[in-house]
This record gives sequence, C-alpha cells and structure tokens, in this order.
Amino acid sequence: AAGVIQSPRHLIKEKRETATLKCYPIPRHDTVYWYQQGPGQDPQFLISFYEKMQSDKGSIPDRFSAQQFSDYHSELNMSSLELGDSALYFCASSLGGQENTEAFFGQGTRLTVV
Amino acid sequence: DAKTTQPNSMESNEEEPVHLPCNHSTISGTDYIHWYRQLPSQGPEYVIHGLTSNVNNRMASLAIAEDRKSSTLILHRATLRDAAVYYCILRDEETSGSRLTFGEGTQLTVNP
Repeated sequence: AAGVIQSPRHLIKEKRETATLKCYPIPRHDTVYWYQQGPGQDPQFLISFYEKMQSDKGSIPDRFSAQQFSDYHSELNMSSLELGDSALYFCASSLGGQENTEAFFGQGTRLTVV
Repeated sequence: DAKTTQPNSMESNEEEPVHLPCNHSTISGTDYIHWYRQLPSQGPEYVIHGLTSNVNNRMASLAIAEDRKSSTLILHRATLRDAAVYYCILRDEETSGSRLTFGEGTQLTVNP
C-alpha cells in the first residue's frame, strides 16, 4: 500500500540558508501534519492543513512557513536556518483530521544544519 | 490538553504478553485514546484507538477502564520488532485541534 512519502530523506544546510521539505500524503488523504523531533526528544507538532487550508498551528517558528497544494502535497519552508533546527522532520497524513482518525507518518527528513 | 502519564520504561520477554499502562485522570468525555509507537529511526506508527469500549485489531488490544481514567495497551505476544517507544495520546478536536500531542512515552525493551 502507498505510504506517506517525504523528500529529501537527508539534507545538510549551512546556517542562514533556506531549506524546503516536501511531503506527499497517502492518496485521497486530505489532511497533512508536520512534526519536528530533536535528538532524544519526542515529536513536536508544528502545523497542519486540511483541504489546503491551515487547520492547526503549534510551535512553528516564524522563520518557517508551510502550505498544502491543490494535489494535497505539502511543503515546509525553513529560512535563516539555525543550528538548533537540526532535527528529524516528520510529515503525517490522514483522511480528515478528526479525533477518531488515524494518522500515517512518513519516514522523515533528517535536517542537519552546520 | 488533558495529560497522560506512562512509565518511562518497561521490559518484556519475546513471545510473552505485554501490558503497557496509561493514566489519564483528567480525560474529558470527548477525548479519544490513541496509541502510537516509534521504532528507532522511524516515524511514529499508529497502533490503536478507542473511546469507551475495548478495542482489538491485528496489532494489539486496548483495554479502557470503566471510568476512562486509565487504559492499557496489550501486545499479546511480544516480538523483537515490538521494541519501541509507545505513546498514549488523548485527542479531542474541540480542545486540541487536529494535532496529536506526543508526551513522554514508554520505552519498551523486548528480550530474546
């Protein structure tokens, strides 16, 4: 079965550079979530989209922005990168964002800022 | 958000049942109880969820206390592949939006 696809899997950037992470949800899924997981930490919710509109916002820095496109894929744009942005970034998708639905996570993008 | 409390770690032997507890004494009537797990270097994986009644699926069973202040995830026969961090999450769209809030889960070690 098709899963959530994230690209790239690994990314190395220098401080103050920009990065774009992409997420392709499971076909027919209309909801996308973004999470950040630092070393030894639990996943932290960043932002979510439902039907191409932002549906929820967590601890996403102002330097980050995201959107969901007409084909439901989503991109997380990160500017003025800092060393502390080094983390695993997970995308998840679900059919609807209700509390009784399950979310499917991708394998993540490992971002290293040097 | 309503808070959950889980033991930091648990240990089990292969092919034995595992009972992973979760306390959620401040749960509201509309909170769904979700369980996810995260294997090393992988994204979180959905395990099971329920509201009031016990639930079974191919991966696990979820036993929910009658007062809903606690629940237990049951792995019927642990395998080495079940070694992971298990997260118990309460989810209510009205109070917490559509997000899944990951707290401090339980690190399950499975011994061969």
